[in-house]
Amino acid sequence: AQTVTQSQPEMSVQEAETVTLSCTYDTSESDYYLFWYKQPPSRQMILVIRQEAYKQQNATENRFSVNFQKAAKSFSLKISDSQLGDAAMYFCAYRSGGPYNNNDMRFGAGTRLTVKP
Amino acid sequence: ETGVTQTPRHLVMGMTNKKSLKCEQHLGHNAMYWYKQSAKKPLELMFVYSLEERVENNSVPSRFSPECPNSSHLFLHLHTLQPEDSALYLCASSLHLRLAGTYEQYFGPGTRLTVT
Repeated sequence: AQTVTQSQPEMSVQEAETVTLSCTYDTSESDYYLFWYKQPPSRQMILVIRQEAYKQQNATENRFSVNFQKAAKSFSLKISDSQLGDAAMYFCAYRSGGPYNNNDMRFGAGTRLTVKP
Repeated sequence: ETGVTQTPRHLVMGMTNKKSLKCEQHLGHNAMYWYKQSAKKPLELMFVYSLEERVENNSVPSRFSPECPNSSHLFLHLHTLQPEDSALYLCASSLHLRLAGTYEQYFGPGTRLTVT
């Protein structure tokens, strides 16, 4: 079974600086998708970024980018120019690819990010 | 309303009560999910309805009973819960294409459940 590991329960960053959140996963599949979700305090979980395993290019969304290392099964999230609104719980998630993925998305335990003014 | 909505946002119930959580999605999706989010634990998938089929999760106690009357609505019926069932219950939806699988999930704001 696929597992997702986030080894950093908590991280902090100074406003305007850069922070990297780690995620590793275990799978024997070659076709899959990876996601980072953000859950602000008492607010809705939202999708930050997604990466298709078949794409070599790292996904980027404005100040958010990933470092996808398929061989190492690593999928880290980099937040540049951190803002106070980035403070949240961040979840890494894995989903099998293809039509028989049984709708099962696996989540890591999360990393709580604090942004210091 | 847009996106995925959940009601109520907060619920306190006794162990002998019966209550229901409601989820509604306005995204045109055809798959819906219930998750349980407890402190310091990964999200736990409880139930999935996809392409009008229910995917069983045998690890979920029978005191939780899902209902999906159509692709836009999802309910979680609760009865004789235990204090350890107190958690944030999240609903999500996604698009499921038969030849391509499912896409990313969009979440509702959750229902904070406290069982006394």
